[in-house]
Amino acid sequence: QAGLTQPPSVSKGLRQTATLTCTGNSNNVGDEGAAWLQQHQDHPPKLLSYRNNNRPSGISERLSASRSGNTASLTITRLQPEDEADYYCSAWDSGLGAWVFGGGTKLTVL
Amino acid sequence: EVHLLESGGGLVQPGGSLRLSCAASGSTFSNYGISWVRQAPGKGLEWVSGITDSGGKTYYGDSVKGRFTISRDNSKNTVFLQMNRLRADDTAVYYCADPADFWGQGTLVTVSS
Repeated sequence: QAGLTQPPSVSKGLRQTATLTCTGNSNNVGDEGAAWLQQHQDHPPKLLSYRNNNRPSGISERLSASRSGNTASLTITRLQPEDEADYYCSAWDSGLGAWVFGGGTKLTVL
Repeated sequence: EVHLLESGGGLVQPGGSLRLSCAASGSTFSNYGISWVRQAPGKGLEWVSGITDSGGKTYYGDSVKGRFTISRDNSKNTVFLQMNRLRADDTAVYYCADPADFWGQGTLVTVSS
């Protein structure tokens, strides 16, 4: 099944701003939006943003999600060392009848 | 909030079978559709299978259709994944999850002779 498209890697400096993108189509991201997940090495994924762009309780206000058409974005301001991780987007694809994921973006904080 | 705990992973030979379980606690489990998502070593997330809140509909990824079966028992707050005809490329950590919400800790499945 076709997945969502994410850049493999993004590198930014400490205290800078990073914007991660996730591109799908009208059956998935463009339909009900995308959720954002963070995964540190050897840990399970952790939800950062619901498909409606709201943050779960306990997630830093430095993170914000948005969507424009078929592309979802996650912006992280004032980057900290602990933000270094893999980031995935997920969406339900109504055409496929399946959940689809992006390939993941490795965020490096320099 | 729903908390999920997977079990049943382990080492199995190619062609063998395993049954994974996902036990839920917390909020009303029967309100949620649940999926199995796997992650091969060093790779990204791959959706494997999903089941609706009532269990009335099931969905499968192309790579497991005809080999894996998902089911649930809402009276026991548990979702299952029966995996048959296992192959080396099924080796992965298997998570049960709502892919746009909560996730379990994962259980490792290794298919090797």
